[in-house]
Amino acid sequence: SQKIEQNSEALNIQEGKTATLTCNYTNYSPAYLQWYRQDPGRGPVFLLLIRENEKEKRKERLKVTFDTTLKQSLFHITASQPADSATYLCALDIGPYSGAGSYQLTFGKGTKLSVIP
Amino acid sequence: DVKVTQSSRYLVKRTGEKVFLECVQDMDHENMFWYRQDPGLGLRLIYFSYDVKMKEKGDIPEGYSVSREKKERFSLILESASTNQTSMYLCASSDVRTGVEETQYFGPGTRLLVL
Repeated sequence: SQKIEQNSEALNIQEGKTATLTCNYTNYSPAYLQWYRQDPGRGPVFLLLIRENEKEKRKERLKVTFDTTLKQSLFHITASQPADSATYLCALDIGPYSGAGSYQLTFGKGTKLSVIP
Repeated sequence: DVKVTQSSRYLVKRTGEKVFLECVQDMDHENMFWYRQDPGLGLRLIYFSYDVKMKEKGDIPEGYSVSREKKERFSLILESASTNQTSMYLCASSDVRTGVEETQYFGPGTRLLVL
């Protein structure tokens, strides 16, 4: 089965800097990879999806890259703000283990980002 | 906006009780999922359903069952609650239309404490 590792449990950065979070996976290459944001006591919220044939995706201050050779995705938040403080989850399709049409995801354990004013 | 609601934000139950967690989505999504989330273990899939009355086991189905009698509603049942089922329970749904099928929309979660 797929294994996902997010580089660290917690990351502290100074306001205004770029935060970079890492998601590594083993075994098969996923068809797509997603990033979610989760605030304390809340459900995850979808941010970005990147497909296997895409190298980079952007949305406002967010940027995601996908390197299928390294089996890695990087998630960047530029000009970070204290409001960006949250846990960020990486999620992948489970590929050949999924039932037809089910679109199951497997999630990383998340990285808790703290942006310090 | 997609809205996924869960019947309770917080729930306290006794060991051995039967517990029902309800989830409703208002976007006519085919797929619905139940996860539990524990510190250090992340999100783990309990059950999912891809159609009314259809269900599939996830990674940790033991001690749980589900019911999907209507498309918009997916219930998680703890037949006999145990302390190791104390957790945050999250429901999610997703569409099946091409191009949007991969994204899951989550409810606010139910924090269950079993005493």
